[in-house]
Amino acid sequence: GAVVSQHPSRVICKSGTSVKIECRSLDFQATTMFWYRQFPKKSLMLMATSNEGSKATYEQGVEKDKFLINHASLTLSTLTVTSAHPEDSSFYICSARLPAGLARYEQYFGPGTRLTVT
Amino acid sequence: AQTVTQSQPEMSVQEAETVTLSCTYDTSESDYYLFWYKQPPSRQMILVIRQEAYKQQNATENRFSVNFQKAAKSFSLKISDSQLGDAAMYFCAYRSQYDKVIFGPGTSLSVIP
Repeated sequence: GAVVSQHPSRVICKSGTSVKIECRSLDFQATTMFWYRQFPKKSLMLMATSNEGSKATYEQGVEKDKFLINHASLTLSTLTVTSAHPEDSSFYICSARLPAGLARYEQYFGPGTRLTVT
Repeated sequence: AQTVTQSQPEMSVQEAETVTLSCTYDTSESDYYLFWYKQPPSRQMILVIRQEAYKQQNATENRFSVNFQKAAKSFSLKISDSQLGDAAMYFCAYRSQYDKVIFGPGTSLSVIP
């Protein structure tokens, strides 16, 4: 199946700094990628839908100025957590959707990034 | 808006036995997809099985099968001959034809040797 990577897998940053997480589709082009957040022992919560070449669509309650999403190419989307605080500590997962016409829009998930803000 | 419910936060099964995980969903759409994902301790999401709503036949993947009841909006997962490696969080998920995936709250499955 298709492969999605995330980098870094783990990151620790100090409160007030910004951190960038990358999501790459390795063997297919993804016009749409999704960013999820997962708290311990909880489900995946969709944060935003990232579309290549346009602004991301954020879910209700997600601060777009805090969680900046850029989808500059067909294989790369980035999530930047700005001015991070300890409450932003979480597991962030991206998924990439196959292009139209292939496998009816199947999505593939990255391995996730564990963010710890100290 | 679509919702997905899993009423069993935790389940356990003896090794080699069969277990069924429950899932119900709510939608007004007629064309959609349902999934079961497994999330082991590594946190990597693994697709277990997929069901297209327009197909009446229940999907099967080796030891995993589903009972899809469209009218009742029910989508349960049956794991046969349970193995220790099946221990994980299992998420039921819904996707409309072109849209995002919505996940249920999850069921933590333990396999007892």
